[in-house]
Amino acid sequence: GEDVEQSLFLSVREGDSSVINCTYTDSSSTYLYWYKQEPGAGLQLLTYIFSNMDMKQDQRLTVLLNKKDKHLSLRIADTQTGDSAIYFCAESMGNTPLVFGKGTRLSVIA
Amino acid sequence: DAGVIQSPRHEVTEMGQEVTLRCKPISGHNSLFWYRQTMMRGLELLIYFNNNVPIDDSGMPEDRFSAKMPNASFSTLKIQPSEPRDSAVYFCASRTSPETQYFGPGTRLLVL
Repeated sequence: GEDVEQSLFLSVREGDSSVINCTYTDSSSTYLYWYKQEPGAGLQLLTYIFSNMDMKQDQRLTVLLNKKDKHLSLRIADTQTGDSAIYFCAESMGNTPLVFGKGTRLSVIA
Repeated sequence: DAGVIQSPRHEVTEMGQEVTLRCKPISGHNSLFWYRQTMMRGLELLIYFNNNVPIDDSGMPEDRFSAKMPNASFSTLKIQPSEPRDSAVYFCASRTSPETQYFGPGTRLLVL
């Protein structure tokens, strides 16, 4: 079945770049997503990428996709304390529900 | 748009009681999803609807769980009877296209 794996924790200093990694197993995945969850809140869609793309940039966020290795990453430039949250990677074939990883808890040290 | 609306935001109940969670999807969205989030299992899909019709309920843990979507603007998730292991955050999400699935704020359920 589908599986999405992420490391559980990442700690960075304010102002540095953060890179959160994700691997997935389903080669049929068409859409790959990054969501952010702040304490006590729901999941907020940050960005998504189609499987026929290898990079997408949106302000401080850069998503890289290596389809051959089934590896997705989210880079946050100039990380701020407000970026502290749990980041979820997810995949979908489009007409199917999203399958989520367990999330990476990003801690930003001032 | 107000986004996905869930109620109640918090629920504390005693074991054996019936619990009903409510969700109002974003207007115009034709797919609705119920998820459960726990520390141990992460985010699990319980059930989803397309055009008010349940498509896949294989994630519903037991017969104690049931979900309905009587119309395009309302869905319920019911647990009867509730058990302490049902304690979790329950999220509702909706979408109209694969690119943009939006989540509600969640209902924090504690069963004593």
